Amino acid sequence: AQKVTQAQTEISVVEKEDVTLDCVYETRDTTYYLFWYKQPPSGELVFLIRRNSFDEQNEISGRYSWNFQKSTSSFNFTITASQVVDSAVYFCALKSFNAGNNRKLIWGLGTSLAVNP
Amino acid sequence: DGGITQSPKYLFRKEGQNVTLSCEQNLNHDAMYWYRQDPGQGLRLIYYSQIVNDFQKGDIAEGYSVSREKKESFPLTVTSAQKNPTAFYLCASSRRDSDYGYTFGSGTRLTVV
Repeated sequence: AQKVTQAQTEISVVEKEDVTLDCVYETRDTTYYLFWYKQPPSGELVFLIRRNSFDEQNEISGRYSWNFQKSTSSFNFTITASQVVDSAVYFCALKSFNAGNNRKLIWGLGTSLAVNP
Repeated sequence: DGGITQSPKYLFRKEGQNVTLSCEQNLNHDAMYWYRQDPGQGLRLIYYSQIVNDFQKGDIAEGYSVSREKKESFPLTVTSAQKNPTAFYLCASSRRDSDYGYTFGSGTRLTVV
């Protein structure tokens, strides 16, 4: 079975703090992709990053960074020096490409991040 | 600019009425999806379509129907058989058999009174 777990339901931080959103996934497939999406209050989900199972390099994009570790089946997301505009719900998702599983994204339940001034 | 348009943004309907939510994309994507979002439950897949004139049930298809007569359009009908239709509905599209993620619309918030 495939599953994505975001154990943190809600996180509240003060502006300029660093914050890490956890994502743990389960899959028996060898080829898969992991994603992070941001859902601001407006409602539209915005794509943040895609990472394939063969690339464990960490990635940094401005204040955002991602730590992919296959050994612990985790794909954590860190926001450095958080800002009020980072307040949103963040979703982690898994997409497998082995036979029979290549049609749907498996979603975590999301982490609601509140960044307070 | 390419994207997905969902309309209307807010929709109110009386209990027992069918209602159709619109989703149009100009991204030339083959695949389209409908999700339902309720507080604390994340995104749940209602229906998806990989090609025109073909669609499959997702995890919570009961009480919903779709059609895919055109590549650009994937309307969702919430029927009177759906017992709890009040929710936020998101439409998405993607390249078929792609390793890319989905592009989402801005959603329709349906309230049944």
